[in-house]
Amino acid sequence: DQQVKQNSPSLSVQEGRISILNCDYTNSMFDYFLWYKKYPAEGPTFLISISSIKDKNEDGRFTVFLNKSAKHLSLHIVPSQPGDSAVYFCAASDSITNTDKLIFGTGTRLQVFP
Amino acid sequence: DVKVTQSSRYLVKRTGEKVFLECVQDMDHENMFWYRQDPGLGLRLIYFSYDVKMKEKGDIPEGYSVSREKKERFSLILESASTNQTSMYLCASSSSRTDTQYFGPGTRLTVL
Repeated sequence: DQQVKQNSPSLSVQEGRISILNCDYTNSMFDYFLWYKKYPAEGPTFLISISSIKDKNEDGRFTVFLNKSAKHLSLHIVPSQPGDSAVYFCAASDSITNTDKLIFGTGTRLQVFP
Repeated sequence: DVKVTQSSRYLVKRTGEKVFLECVQDMDHENMFWYRQDPGLGLRLIYFSYDVKMKEKGDIPEGYSVSREKKERFSLILESASTNQTSMYLCASSSSRTDTQYFGPGTRLTVL
């Protein structure tokens, strides 16, 4: 059972426009969410995170929004740049069980074209 | 800066061989993890460890074992490699104070 879902396997956006990547989760115990970016033949790199006590977190061109009632989070990239082309994974954890494990989605491949 | 290194970037092995994948982190992190990444399946947790000599099974431990003799080093062992273990293997580490994991560059393993 996939607890973290990224239903769009790919997304194509023009340079300068906004990229919106979506993620849904099923476990209401999740209280910390992260986004990772992965280039081919490299390990994922941490991008941005959000705690469930917030509904928005911003870092430069990257903003993550959390809608707890809908069990949905999204990553906004504005403006999109060709270097943003990569696979993006969302991940979630549950501090109550405190296992330090992350549950990952299946990823969305973002392509930013000129 | 957190640094997680993996012993090989690319590895080719034959079916039935014993394979060792090594991971070292330099940030004194308590937690270490082994994942595999396959197209359309995301990152799946194989094993993890909270402390030296401790290990816990992840979601897909079958066919794998691990060893953590020192805090900074976490090894993944394929006792008898099979073709369905061809994959990208990723090691990660994290502090017990935060859930943010930091990944190594990955090892692309091909089993022929």
